[in-house]
Amino acid sequence: GESVGLHLPTLSVQEGDNSIINCAYSNSASDYFIWYKQESGKGPQFIIDIRSNMDKRQGQRVTVLLNKTVKHLSLQIAATQPGDSAVYFCAENLIYSSASKIIFGSGTRLSIRP
Amino acid sequence: SQTIHQWPATLVQPVGSPLSLECTVEGTSNPNLYWYRQAAGRGLQLLFYSVGIGQISSEVPQNLSASRPQDRQFILSSKKLLLSDSGFYLCACKIVGELFFGEGSRLTVL
Repeated sequence: GESVGLHLPTLSVQEGDNSIINCAYSNSASDYFIWYKQESGKGPQFIIDIRSNMDKRQGQRVTVLLNKTVKHLSLQIAATQPGDSAVYFCAENLIYSSASKIIFGSGTRLSIRP
Repeated sequence: SQTIHQWPATLVQPVGSPLSLECTVEGTSNPNLYWYRQAAGRGLQLLFYSVGIGQISSEVPQNLSASRPQDRQFILSSKKLLLSDSGFYLCACKIVGELFFGEGSRLTVL
């Protein structure tokens, strides 16, 4: 579910290492999951998505893994760079009635150590 | 490609004053539109969404309201602001499953 009232957890990673950001979702009716990156003072930007009928999807330097059994989503960033510093949010597309809405999960602040 | 405009970008308002934040979308028609709020250092909370003109769904009870007078215009309003209304307000447009965000409006209520 939403954790909008909580302070964001922080993940600190050495530059060049891989980053793994985790997210738990709550609704089995969600058919589509998305990862967003938000830099300071800006709106979130799309990184990668995955349909509920998949368990893995790869992009450029990023991989998303979906485990529907435990309702868990992860984002892996290979060879983390300083430009990857941001807050990362997972989101789920919840389908109901004649509409759908995108609900954001708790974010994670990724910081890069030189 | 679609573009989402939000204004004003920054706003400082006294408690009890009214609010109007505007969002317009270009480059698409009949989009699903959303208002999110983000408190400092926290996640995004869905406030309202709209699937068409005049159709508004509210996610949380509060002193805010939304309206969609035109297909590509989405307005967030309040008659009397509270201190707790401070935050970063983001308008978003969903196209083919992907959510695109505007640059946000930062509201400080004093």
